[in-house]
Amino acid sequence: KQEVTQIPAALSVPEGENLVLNCSFTDSAIYNLQWFRQDPGKGLTSLLLIQSSQREQTSGRLNASLDKSSGRSTLYIAASQPGDSATYLCAVAGANSKLTFGKGITLSVRP
Amino acid sequence: ETGVTQTPRHLVMGMTNKKSLKCEQHLGHNAMYWYKQSAKKPLELMFVYNFKEQTENNSVPSRFSPECPNSSHLFLHLHTLQPEDSALYLCASSQGIGTDNSPLHFGNGTRLTVT
Repeated sequence: KQEVTQIPAALSVPEGENLVLNCSFTDSAIYNLQWFRQDPGKGLTSLLLIQSSQREQTSGRLNASLDKSSGRSTLYIAASQPGDSATYLCAVAGANSKLTFGKGITLSVRP
Repeated sequence: ETGVTQTPRHLVMGMTNKKSLKCEQHLGHNAMYWYKQSAKKPLELMFVYNFKEQTENNSVPSRFSPECPNSSHLFLHLHTLQPEDSALYLCASSQGIGTDNSPLHFGNGTRLTVT
């Protein structure tokens, strides 16, 4: 059974800092890995999707990497801003396309 | 503005009530999903529909009854719920399922409280 872990559960950083959010998964047989953002009281917004054949994806200040063999992904946020404060969730898609989610990392960027 | 709309945003119901959650997607997607998000737990997949046909029932109790009349609409009918069913219920859609690598688009959810 696939398990997705995101540690730490919460993170607080000063504005402007570059930061890395980590995600690990137990079963390397995945089709893709997705990073989502969730604001309080809202649904999830897809940030980046990395296919199993890819190593990374970039969108603006965000860069996500994938290392299937080690079961790890990182989300890199450059020059963090207070508007980046949210919960970031990692999810992996298995053979039946079923997504398994981590519990998320709650990020607070201090002005 | 999300392309997936969920109503109502908030719902309070007693354990003997019957209510329904509604989801509508305006993205032309073929697959729709119900997820449950409880405090301090990962999102849990409940049901998956592809081209109106249910393809996944993740051992969900029968007090939750999904309905998908067409690819754009998804309902979750609720009856005789328990307090532990209180959670945020999220609807999502995607272009397809399987290996097409299409991202999920989520609605803003219905916050359900069972008293």
